[in-house]
Amino acid sequence: DQQVKQNSPSLSVQEGRISILNCDYTNSMFDYFLWYKKYPAEGPTFLISISSIKDKNEDGRFTVFLNKSAKHLSLHIVPSQPGDSAVYFCAASGRSGGGADGLTFGKGTHLIIQP
Amino acid sequence: NAGVMQNPRHLVRRRGQEARLRCSPMKGHSHVYWYRQLPEEGLKFMVYLQKENIIDESGMPKERFSAEFPKEGPSILRIQQVVRGDSAAYFCASSAGTDNSPLHFGNGTRLTVT
Repeated sequence: DQQVKQNSPSLSVQEGRISILNCDYTNSMFDYFLWYKKYPAEGPTFLISISSIKDKNEDGRFTVFLNKSAKHLSLHIVPSQPGDSAVYFCAASGRSGGGADGLTFGKGTHLIIQP
Repeated sequence: NAGVMQNPRHLVRRRGQEARLRCSPMKGHSHVYWYRQLPEEGLKFMVYLQKENIIDESGMPKERFSAEFPKEGPSILRIQQVVRGDSAAYFCASSAGTDNSPLHFGNGTRLTVT
């Protein structure tokens, strides 16, 4: 039973446009959400997070939106750059999410930025 | 670079051998997590440790897998009598353990069982 779902395995976006990556979750105990970026042969790198008490968090080109009633979050990257090409993982944390303080991850979305 | 250090980066073992994966957390971090990534899958939680204590091992297979984080030295993930299905990338992460502190990951150990 997948508690964090990223339904798009891949996404292709033109350089300079907005990239929108989506994530849905099923566990209402999750109260903290994160996005990680992963290049091949490297570990995931923390990108941005949001607590369930907020509905938006922004950091430079990256904005995460949280819709608690829909159990949905999204990551917006604008403008998209070639270096953004990577696999993006959505992750969630809560009492029953991946351990006492660990994370439950989605399967990832491979973002490809086209020149 | 004071990040999370994992070694070896690549490990090849024959079926039935033992695999030992090591992880040194970031400086100042006392919480360590191990995750496994199978091909085309996300990262799956395995175990959460603090110094000398296993806090949550709900993601660990019941047999052949064990983990420790001794008072001195790195955290070790040990897999006994490896099988082909153990082939995966194993990632270690650490955190400061404060509320909502993000996990910082190492570059992983890619285990191949032949």
